[in-house]
Amino acid sequence: GQQLNQSPQSMFIQEGEDVSMNCTSSSIFNTWLWYKQDPGEGPVLLIALYKAGELTSNGRLTAQFGTTRKDSFLNISASIPSDVGIYFCAGRSYSGTYKYIFGTGTRLKVLA
Amino acid sequence: ETGVTQSPTHLIKTRGQQVTLRCSSQSGHNTVSWYQQALGQGPQFIFQYYREEENGRGNFPPRFSGLQFPNYSSELNVNALELDDSALYLCASSLGQGRGTEAFFGQGTRLTVV
Repeated sequence: GQQLNQSPQSMFIQEGEDVSMNCTSSSIFNTWLWYKQDPGEGPVLLIALYKAGELTSNGRLTAQFGTTRKDSFLNISASIPSDVGIYFCAGRSYSGTYKYIFGTGTRLKVLA
Repeated sequence: ETGVTQSPTHLIKTRGQQVTLRCSSQSGHNTVSWYQQALGQGPQFIFQYYREEENGRGNFPPRFSGLQFPNYSSELNVNALELDDSALYLCASSLGQGRGTEAFFGQGTRLTVV
């Protein structure tokens, strides 16, 4: 099935560092979302973006809706150990119904 | 805590068997979607139910079917299980489909087919 391209695939960072990840698509989306998934759990919504160029923050997290509508970016500032997990982007598309197309995921590990 | 609950949490079935997974949506949410997440992959859209009707389907064969009940809870049924059906099955509920109606996911059901 279709998946969006996320990079990096995984990353190890030191506690306190900032993290950046991105997501690209060959299709245009009207909504971009970022989810975090912990082992054995379902994805938890972090940020939703609705307009090209939009920049939205949620605590230490900041996400941007790319101006081409084919990409999105997530930044985490001053990472802490509980930021560990897999981050997924998702684009919401409409083809008779709304559905989410998910990215391949970025696995984040924070070293204390 | 999203208010979306799935049962069972884990399940082991034999190839060829049938399985039913259940989802209780968040209070007031009338739309339920099901996703399959293989190990190391992002979730893949299976289908969506809105007010008890299927209103969208991903690239999954007919042996994947579902139901939504008047209280908006939902079931996912898979017939003739194959080894590749082993995955985490996620249910997501939302209120309608417009802006501000993002989906909230349950914890998933881990299905293992042997």
